[in-house]
Amino acid sequence: DAGVTQSPTHLIKTRGQQVTLRCSPKSGHDTVSWYQQALGQGPQFIFQYYEEEERQRGNFPDRFSGHQFPNYSSELNVNALLLGDSALYLCASSLRTGVGETQYFGPGTRLLVL
Amino acid sequence: GQQVMQIPQYQHVQEGEDFTTYCNSSTTLSNIQWYKQRPGGHPVFLIQLVKSGEVKKQKRLTFQFGEAKKNSSLHITATQTTDVGTYFCAGGSQGNLIFGKGTKLSVKP
Repeated sequence: DAGVTQSPTHLIKTRGQQVTLRCSPKSGHDTVSWYQQALGQGPQFIFQYYEEEERQRGNFPDRFSGHQFPNYSSELNVNALLLGDSALYLCASSLRTGVGETQYFGPGTRLLVL
Repeated sequence: GQQVMQIPQYQHVQEGEDFTTYCNSSTTLSNIQWYKQRPGGHPVFLIQLVKSGEVKKQKRLTFQFGEAKKNSSLHITATQTTDVGTYFCAGGSQGNLIFGKGTKLSVKP
């Protein structure tokens, strides 16, 4: 039973570029959430996808967008990268039950913006 | 907006000593979850508390959820070097998780 997988593991970009990060949820899970974790901080919620739609969004600008595919996998896109976008991007999957779904995190993608 | 505060930020203990981290939310939570993140790793789910006043134990770890569902604690008895890492609480509200900044635990052998 595969857990949550993410690709790539590491990425280096320059300011102004665009990046796409990918996530495959744990088998049996239908919901994917994305988090940004800056160094020394807790994960910050970006958005959540369920049934191929963005269901909830945290306090992130429109430069951050996403997508969920019919197989429940998901992508996170960030446009016009800023230095401050350097962080660990975590994907978490869960099974939507309506009450406190436990989220299982992937290993993350470490993004460095130069 | 909703905030989850966690203290202390850092805790250094001698192996065998106890450790406690506290979590407080500015709003009532539907549930609280605890995660552990080892250095260079990703958050790993430990436990979820849902009921007011709930207490759960996992071996040397004891988790509590406050009566008002606005605070929680994690207590580790007789710490071991394998307990090293950052412990995060995450408050569940309206379907997403709001994480605290974590408590970084170091254990001296």
